[in-house]
Amino acid sequence: GAVVSQHPSRVICKSGTSVKIECRSLDFQATTMFWYRQFPKQSLMLMATSNEGSKATYEQGVEKDKFLINHASLTLSTLTVTSAHPEDSSFYICSALAGDTDTQYFGPGTRLTVL
Amino acid sequence: QKEVEQNSGPLSVPEGAIASLNCTYSDRGSQSFFWYRQYSGKSPELIMSIYSNGDKEDGRFTAQLNKASQYVSLLIRDSQPSDSATYLCAVTIIGNEKLTFGTGTRLTIIP
Repeated sequence: GAVVSQHPSRVICKSGTSVKIECRSLDFQATTMFWYRQFPKQSLMLMATSNEGSKATYEQGVEKDKFLINHASLTLSTLTVTSAHPEDSSFYICSALAGDTDTQYFGPGTRLTVL
Repeated sequence: QKEVEQNSGPLSVPEGAIASLNCTYSDRGSQSFFWYRQYSGKSPELIMSIYSNGDKEDGRFTAQLNKASQYVSLLIRDSQPSDSATYLCAVTIIGNEKLTFGTGTRLTIIP
């Protein structure tokens, strides 16, 4: 159990376009999901906390208008990178909180390359 | 002082030996403790969670928690080359669902 999927696993886009990444909890409901970003050889950086049915909470320094988060159901959260630029190229990872165990399970990640 | 500290390594261990990974944390309000394994280019994978003092065993893995010393460790018995990865220690604090990660320890198992 406790499987989290992400789609797409890899995306290449042109500068200025928007990219949507989906995160799904497959076998449990998650009222809370998290979005992280990881640059090569660096630590995971939390971008935002996504709560079902309410606005996301963004970490300091993360532009909420650039990284749009929607958590429309108990099994799906989406991250949209708007007007992507090469500096947004990174590994984006979501996690879903299994509330009964206070444990975060991570998706496989989405590698975004902006040309 | 960092909230969660780990030795960044690299830690090299011969195949078949015990690998010992250590983590200290500064906030006494920390309530849940996790070890994740992250292979290069992949996302973190949960190895163990521990919530109370003492040892918790799962297969070749044993997590140890000592809240008085603010110390949590992970032992890997009969280390295999496939255990070579970065191991992340993470904690949550009472009233906060967010994970605070250490910088990770890079472990290499030498065949």
